[in-house]
Amino acid sequence: GAVVSQHPSWVICKSGTSVKIECRSLDFQATTMFWYRQFPKQSLMLMATSNEGSKATYEQGVEKDKFLINHASLTLSTLTVTSAHPEDSSFYICSAEGGGSNQPQHFGDGTRLSIL
Amino acid sequence: RKEVEQDPGPFNVPEGATVAFNCTYSNSASQSFFWYRQDCRKEPKLLMSVYSSGNEDGRFTAQLNRASQYISLLIRDSKLSDSATYLCVVKEYSSASKIIFGSGTRLSIRP
Repeated sequence: GAVVSQHPSWVICKSGTSVKIECRSLDFQATTMFWYRQFPKQSLMLMATSNEGSKATYEQGVEKDKFLINHASLTLSTLTVTSAHPEDSSFYICSAEGGGSNQPQHFGDGTRLSIL
Repeated sequence: RKEVEQDPGPFNVPEGATVAFNCTYSNSASQSFFWYRQDCRKEPKLLMSVYSSGNEDGRFTAQLNRASQYISLLIRDSKLSDSATYLCVVKEYSSASKIIFGSGTRLSIRP
């Protein structure tokens, strides 16, 4: 089956640090990748949708200058949390799909980000 | 009204019971439907796609009712390992994908 790899799985860093998270589709070409965050006991919240070679589409309320997304190839998208603060601590999950109306998303393992 | 609505639960049922979840969606143009399960502190994993004719995978049966705009998931002979949050996912597709997640239904199977 389709595999999506996300790295790192766990990050602990000081306030003010920028953190980059990678999302790779290992055995298929991902025309679209999605970035979510999830707080404890809450549902997934879509942050942005990225298509290879174009600018990401951010959901309302998500700061594009704070959460930089790059989707430079069909197998890699990155999310950079710039100048992270404790309120950015969350579970960040990426997903990817190969395109087509009936294709499901496949999720990465998620990145648990803790900002001290 | 939310685009995709699910009963949040929790559903607490004994092992071996049959349990069913429903999910309603608001956009009649929605094209694809999926059920995912998410374990605590883990990423969602695809459980099954939902087809118009209904489909079954072992103990799991999914149904789609386009006229009433809902999908359902039936779990027979539930196991302890079925305890998770079940997410209903609706996909709209025009020039680009739009994926909408339900907030999830929590299921707890007790021995």
